[in-house]
Amino acid sequence: GESVGLHLPTLSVQEGDNSIINCAYSNSASDYFIWYKQESGKGPQFIIDIRSNMDKRQGQRVTVLLNKTVKHLSLQIAATQPGDSAVYFCAETLGQGAQKLVFGQGTRLTINP
Amino acid sequence: DAGVIQSPRHEVTEMGQEVTLRCKPISGHNSLFWYRQTMMRGLELLIYFNNNVPIDDSGMPEDRFSAKMPNASFSTLKIQPSEPRDSAVYFCASRRQGGQETQYFGPGTRLLVL
Repeated sequence: GESVGLHLPTLSVQEGDNSIINCAYSNSASDYFIWYKQESGKGPQFIIDIRSNMDKRQGQRVTVLLNKTVKHLSLQIAATQPGDSAVYFCAETLGQGAQKLVFGQGTRLTINP
Repeated sequence: DAGVIQSPRHEVTEMGQEVTLRCKPISGHNSLFWYRQTMMRGLELLIYFNNNVPIDDSGMPEDRFSAKMPNASFSTLKIQPSEPRDSAVYFCASRRQGGQETQYFGPGTRLLVL
């Protein structure tokens, strides 16, 4: 994951538009990746995951893309809604047995009405 | 299904006091994790347990922090003595070891040490 700074990257989109949140991970040996959503005052909530043997995975309104060549992960949210406003974290981990998640710094997504 | 349960949700204490945070993992989950979240450092793993046994405590900041898991349904994180720099949100998470890696987080305990 990325080092943490004082200010989160922010992204503002209009309601109904698509949004793309990016994440650069640190370990080329990481083989499992997760996106979490954290709303104000709540714990991180699982959104979608992807293993390193895949480059794309789709859920309901969300798609995760993985580019291992450049160690890049993205989360696409289609037709954004006000409830999508939150901080989004990517996390990486090594191997099936490894349990240590390393979190990125997060991106604050704001949906404008 | 109840999610991960944490208590208290908010704690305000004075420097030097002992603080105990509590966590009940999701039933059937046998791995439990304690995290700390601050603006400066983001989400940091403090310690995790498999089958009630501490596996990795390398994230515990110093000896003032200790964690226990006396049984499969309960864990504590204790800070003694507390300091203002311990102010943060502390999350507990759990997962089913051996399966999907996803960890499920509790609502957190917001700690303020004055």
